[in-house]
Amino acid sequence: GNSVTQMEGPVTLSEEAFLTINCTYTATGYPSLFWYVQYPGEGLQLLLKATKADDKGSNKGFEATYRKETTSFHLEKGSVQVSDSAVYFCALSKANAGNMLTFGGGTRLMVKP
Amino acid sequence: DGGITQSPKYLFRKEGQNVTLSCEQNLNHDAMYWYRQDPGQGLRLIYYSQIVNDFQKGDIAEGYSVSREKKESFPLTVTSAQKNPTAFYLCASSVQGLSGNTIYFGEGSWLTVV
Repeated sequence: GNSVTQMEGPVTLSEEAFLTINCTYTATGYPSLFWYVQYPGEGLQLLLKATKADDKGSNKGFEATYRKETTSFHLEKGSVQVSDSAVYFCALSKANAGNMLTFGGGTRLMVKP
Repeated sequence: DGGITQSPKYLFRKEGQNVTLSCEQNLNHDAMYWYRQDPGQGLRLIYYSQIVNDFQKGDIAEGYSVSREKKESFPLTVTSAQKNPTAFYLCASSVQGLSGNTIYFGEGSWLTVV
């Protein structure tokens, strides 16, 4: 079946540091890939997505590239801010699975001033 | 504003009680979903519905029930058969059809058994 694996947290960085959160997936065919962000006590917000190989999703300074050859969708940001502190979830969906999301376990990011 | 509204935000349940979590969306989405999130963990699918009057079990449906009588509404009942219901519950919706359609989430409901 489908699965998503992401690096365990917490990831603790200083402000303006470079961020990478690794995400790899297992799925047949060509899933769509997503990063969602969850701030404390809130629901999930879509951060970015990519629907086909080599697509790059980007939003708010975050980027992730759909790598079919390595089945990866790593999240990156060049300079993190304290306000980026949250939990980040990598997920995939497939149309023949009702478009349901399969989530990774989440990675908590803590950014210190 | 368009969006997904979950209520209540916080709910306390006594042992043996059934409780119902409300989820309403005004996005005209066909598909709706319920996920459960335990502290420090990812999300697991409870039930989903791709069309009115139809729904399917997800990975952890035992102890839960749903209905989909209207397109806008997808309430979740946590029954007394659910042995460990304390969790954060998230409702979501999406346009039905093509892969890659974004799934939107509500703000969540915290359920605590007392």
